[in-house]
Parts: sequence; C-alpha cells; structure tokens
Amino acid sequence: SYVLTQPPSVSVAPGQTARITCGGNNIGSKSVHWYQQKPGQAPVLVVYDDSDRPSGIPERFSGSNSGNTATLTISRVEAGDEADYYCQVWDSNSDLGVFGTGTKVTVL
Amino acid sequence: QVQLQESGPGLVKPSQTLSLTCTVSGGSISSGDYYWSWIRQPPGKGLEWIGYIYYSGSTYYNPSLQSRLTISLDASKNQFSLKLTSVTAADTAVYYCARVGGTRSYWYFDLWGRGTLVTVSS
Repeated sequence: SYVLTQPPSVSVAPGQTARITCGGNNIGSKSVHWYQQKPGQAPVLVVYDDSDRPSGIPERFSGSNSGNTATLTISRVEAGDEADYYCQVWDSNSDLGVFGTGTKVTVL
Repeated sequence: QVQLQESGPGLVKPSQTLSLTCTVSGGSISSGDYYWSWIRQPPGKGLEWIGYIYYSGSTYYNPSLQSRLTISLDASKNQFSLKLTSVTAADTAVYYCARVGGTRSYWYFDLWGRGTLVTVSS
C-alpha cells in the first residue's frame, strides 16, 4: 500500500515560516491534501489539490508538490497555528484514502 | 451550512459490534453530489480511512477492515451508518464521519463531524 512519511515535529518562532514535508513514491503525480488538527478537535482541510485553499483559510497557508515530496508552508506563523498537520492522497491503484503519519507544529 | 454529527455508544465490549450513525443536516445525502466517509483515529495516533458510501448505496472499504465492516445509508433520515463486528481493543478510537470532496481518484475530506470516542473494553 502507498505510504506517506512526515517528520514527527517542526518547531518555529512566531512570524517565521514553517515547512512541513510529506514524502511518497512519485507523490508529484498525485493530488495532495492537507489537514490541520488542534487538540480535541476534528481535522480541518487547509489545502487541497496540492495548492488550493478552501474558503476561509488564510493565504498564509500554501502548498506545493513535486517529485517525491509535497510541502505545506505556513508563512508568518501565529500561536494559533500550533497543531498537528496531516497530508493525504487518494491511492488510485488500490482505491484507498491514505493519510501521512502527521507532524506536530510547535510555535516557540 | 452542511453539518455532520456522529452518534452511538461510547463503550463496546470485546467481540461485540460497534455501531455508529452520522446525521447530515443542511444538505441532502441523496443529492449525488458527494460521497460520504468514515475515518478513525486511535488515541494519540494518526488518521485511518475506513470506507465510503454513495447515495446509490455503493460502498468501498479499507481492505484491512473489509471482513468486519458494513457502511449503509438511510436517505429518509439523511443518515449513514457504520457497523464493525468482532471488535477488539485495537478498534478503540475517535470515529469521524466526513464528506468526500473533489473528483474520483483525487478525493479529499472537506467537511468533518466532531468525532465520537468509542472505547472497546469489558
């Protein structure tokens, strides 16, 4: 089955830029989606189709995808961005939804 | 706006059946515009996709759960449901229902319920 690998944690100072990677075999050929999950809450879609943002998501959240790595970038990080972030693809070979291992973003 | 809400027992005994329902408000699950899905998250762990259902009743399940899983839909109540048989402690998790957005093979989950914790314990 398709595997998505994320770093367990990323730390960033307020106002700086956080980059969260999601690695997968030829992930650049797939559409990657990103979710933010704060403690005790359901995940929220923040980026879909590699780089599109749902209505209401700040422009500070952006995404890119190429080769074997997709990246979620959070610019001008705020304390409220502290959360777990998950990448997700749809593995068309097996018709499965696949989530990454998750990255905890800590705002210093 | 569309909202999803999970409901069901919070405690299930080992070897018994876990049953949950997701009620959709603010929109019709029979419109055919979306698929509907279940996702779970064991305490302190990551997300696992369980399966999906379409308004026509067609379903697809995660092969790791397929032998124990049934997802069904009641259009008259605007609900879809999950049944997982022969549960063990490994099935303890927060269970989310979610709306599936996007196009086939590029699907994502654009709307989630709040989730419900189900504990498997005697």
